[in-house]
Amino acid sequence: EAGVTQFPSHSVIEKGQTVTLRCDPISGHDNLYWYRRVMGKEIKFLLHFVKESKQDESGMPNNRFLAERTGGTYSTLKVQPAELEDSGVYFCASSQVKGGNEQFFGPGTRLTVL
Amino acid sequence: AQSVTQLGSHVSVSEGALVLLRCNYSSSVPPYLFWYVQYPNQGLQLLLKYTTGATLVKGINGFEAEFKKSETSFHLTKPSAHMSDAAEYFCAVRLNAGGTSYGKLTFGQGTILTVHP
Repeated sequence: EAGVTQFPSHSVIEKGQTVTLRCDPISGHDNLYWYRRVMGKEIKFLLHFVKESKQDESGMPNNRFLAERTGGTYSTLKVQPAELEDSGVYFCASSQVKGGNEQFFGPGTRLTVL
Repeated sequence: AQSVTQLGSHVSVSEGALVLLRCNYSSSVPPYLFWYVQYPNQGLQLLLKYTTGATLVKGINGFEAEFKKSETSFHLTKPSAHMSDAAEYFCAVRLNAGGTSYGKLTFGQGTILTVHP
């Protein structure tokens, strides 16, 4: 069974540019989460999808961040325009709706904004 | 709201020595507690979890943790460290609210474990 995959693994962009991160959850997992770890800080929750619906987006930092999950499969997280403080590692995780205590994490996307 | 504190951002032990990584939490309702490990260039992997029932939980790779409600702690231990245990370890909490089986994780700051030969 394939795990959670994320693309790209690394992205280096300049301030003001746009970047789109992609997450493919484990097949059949309706819950999809985005987290972010800024250097030196803890991993912080961004938002949670159940299928294609946003269940909780309380962690989204501001309106420069847009997450989508069309069709309830893969998800994208767009940052537009990117700022220096957006640099960090973005993790995606997925879990089942039933018995979904364990969240399975992807390897993360390391975003560097110059 | 819940929070997690991991005491010690870096812990160093000798191979064969006891590993003890500390985690304290605060939560307004009974929590679910997790320990994750991240090896270099990999995603987070679940080591063990406490949801209900027995307070001493065993995980993979010989790790275990004990939920102590009175101390609001969930410390991770392993009797004998191995070189392959070198990684970053994260304690996390999730609310057990209304019996839901999903919800955001709140993480501690992480502890980097170094194992010396």
